[in-house]
Amino acid sequence: DAGVIQSPRHEVTEMGQEVTLRCKPISGHNSLFWYRQTMMRGLELLIYFNNNVPIDDSGMPEDRFSAKMPNASFSTLKIQPSEPRDSAVYFCASNAGTSRNEQFFGPGTRLTVL
Amino acid sequence: AQRVTQPEKLLSVFKGAPVELKCNYSYSGSPELFWYVQYSRQRLQLLLRHISRESIKGFTADLNKGETSFHLKKPFAQEEDSAMYYCALSGPSGSRLTFGEGTQLTVNP
Repeated sequence: DAGVIQSPRHEVTEMGQEVTLRCKPISGHNSLFWYRQTMMRGLELLIYFNNNVPIDDSGMPEDRFSAKMPNASFSTLKIQPSEPRDSAVYFCASNAGTSRNEQFFGPGTRLTVL
Repeated sequence: AQRVTQPEKLLSVFKGAPVELKCNYSYSGSPELFWYVQYSRQRLQLLLRHISRESIKGFTADLNKGETSFHLKKPFAQEEDSAMYYCALSGPSGSRLTFGEGTQLTVNP
């Protein structure tokens, strides 16, 4: 298994544009998490899904952010419109939802909004 | 509410010196505590978890429920230990992890 896959790895866009980040969790994992990493706030949970259903989206900063998980092998995080303060590294992680609770992280998408 | 605090954003030690990365938490139930590590240009990965009571790469962490702490320790730091370290807390199985702010450890030669 290639682990959690994220695309793109880097994204540079202009303020006001729509940005879509993609994630493919590890096969068989039933929980998926989106995080944002910044120097100021560290690692923040934005939203997580269990069996494709959003469980907790309290970390989503604004209505400009939305996330979907149409099936067990794919999720998207969308920012529309994007702003410079959205610049960060966005991580996706998945786990099997067992008592081990270890989360496996993707390589991240480094987003720069100019 | 669950919360994790890592009081040091930056920590610098010399090679061979002991190192301790502090982590304090607040949680009303029985948490599971973890340390995750992110080496330069690599993805975040699990370093160790308290219920395993194991030593990984020379690191250990003991859960102190009285002090609500889970400090990460290593008696002799190595240059390859330089990385960002995150302490994390989880409640019931499958639920969210709450991460601390992270500590950037630099081990100087």
